[in-house]
Amino acid sequence: SAVISQKPSRDICQRGTSLTIQCQVDSQVTMMFWYRQQPGQSLTLIATANQGSEATYESGFVIDKFPISRPNLTFSTLTVSNMSPEDSSIYLCSAGEGQGANLEQFFGPGTRLTVL
Amino acid sequence: AQSVTQLDSHVSVSEGTPVLLRCNYSSSYSPSLFWYVQHPNKGLQLLLKYTSAATLVKGINGFEAEFKKSETSFHLTKPSAHMSDAAEYFCVVILNTGGFKTIFGAGTRLFVKA
Repeated sequence: SAVISQKPSRDICQRGTSLTIQCQVDSQVTMMFWYRQQPGQSLTLIATANQGSEATYESGFVIDKFPISRPNLTFSTLTVSNMSPEDSSIYLCSAGEGQGANLEQFFGPGTRLTVL
Repeated sequence: AQSVTQLDSHVSVSEGTPVLLRCNYSSSYSPSLFWYVQHPNKGLQLLLKYTSAATLVKGINGFEAEFKKSETSFHLTKPSAHMSDAAEYFCVVILNTGGFKTIFGAGTRLFVKA
């Protein structure tokens, strides 16, 4: 199974600023995803990070607010732009092995973001 | 609508007693189903998965789940709870909606009393 690390593990940011979260996988994976987990809630998929092309965003999430990069098969970044207190959440990166109905996801430890 | 429902937001058991965490899904197709556990301030760990093979699936840490198509359920069980099982548990389904979509349940918080 893939091992995933994220940086930073947590941050406290001022409103209006941006934060870039890094996700590193210890092996090449086909799929990488970014999720948001708001306080006391479940996970919501933000986007699928596609290697070499633009990310695929879920309804309610846009590239201007959450730009994503994926320069290779082991690394991705998520930027939370022009932050507001409503963006305070845990952001999780996952790597997927297999495809379609056999997709198995492995998760990073998450980045806990607090926006003041 | 295709979805996944965890029937209990909180479950409390005594150490050494059985655990039952309930999950129902709604799908027009046979889904793939997973259970993940999230310990406080940690990432998610895969407990077990069902992908159309054996309906009784055994996972890590003594957990198992049974896929029951007639009941559209995938309940998670463990014969004897341990204090270290206290965590948040998520039932996850992959649905075929024209493309494959992963949906997380709302989660069930398991409390284990000494």
